[in-house]
Amino acid sequence: DTGVSQDPRHKITKRGQNVTFRCDPISEHNRLYWYRQTLGQGPEFLTYFQNEAQLEKSRLLSDRFSAERPKGSFSTLEIQRTEQGDSAMYLCASRKEPGSGKLFFGSGTQLSVL
Amino acid sequence: AQSVTQPDIHITVSEGASLELRCNYSYGATPYLFWYVQSPGQGLQLLLKYFSGDTLVQGIKGFEAEFKRSQSSFNLRKPSVHWSDAAEYFCAVTYQKVTFGTGTKLQVIP
Repeated sequence: DTGVSQDPRHKITKRGQNVTFRCDPISEHNRLYWYRQTLGQGPEFLTYFQNEAQLEKSRLLSDRFSAERPKGSFSTLEIQRTEQGDSAMYLCASRKEPGSGKLFFGSGTQLSVL
Repeated sequence: AQSVTQPDIHITVSEGASLELRCNYSYGATPYLFWYVQSPGQGLQLLLKYFSGDTLVQGIKGFEAEFKRSQSSFNLRKPSVHWSDAAEYFCAVTYQKVTFGTGTKLQVIP
């Protein structure tokens, strides 16, 4: 497999701008997850998809965040009206369900909001 | 609600010494438990997992972990640490939505 791919690797934006990240999971993986990680913390769950259906979204997630997986393959995560507190590493992971439970992570998108 | 606690933020061990990283979980049913490792600039990699059966599970790179239901723990161990094991280690719980602990940063001194 080619692994989980995330684009871009780095994003610098000004406060108030919108940003969109893309994740391409491993092709046969039907589950796709988004996490956010800040320095010194573990990955924080944001949302996950089974094929194109968004099954759960974190209650901590602001309405400014939205994710899609329109054809059950790649996914996008959009943040509207970014704030400095949104600065973090955004991680995408995928796996096959049913399967071994092992999550395959991408390298992440590092967002810096100035 | 499910949660994971890793009480040790930072641990330093000498190369060749044994290692134990602690993990306690809270979950309302039989948990599925994982340990992941994250090296600087690297993605998260699964070390091992526990679903059921034998409570002592073996993973990659010589790591093992023991599930203790009575203590709600899933501690990670390695008998002899190598300098390349320096990284951050995350314990995680459940299956549908994976919840991670805050991590333990391991430093290995020569």
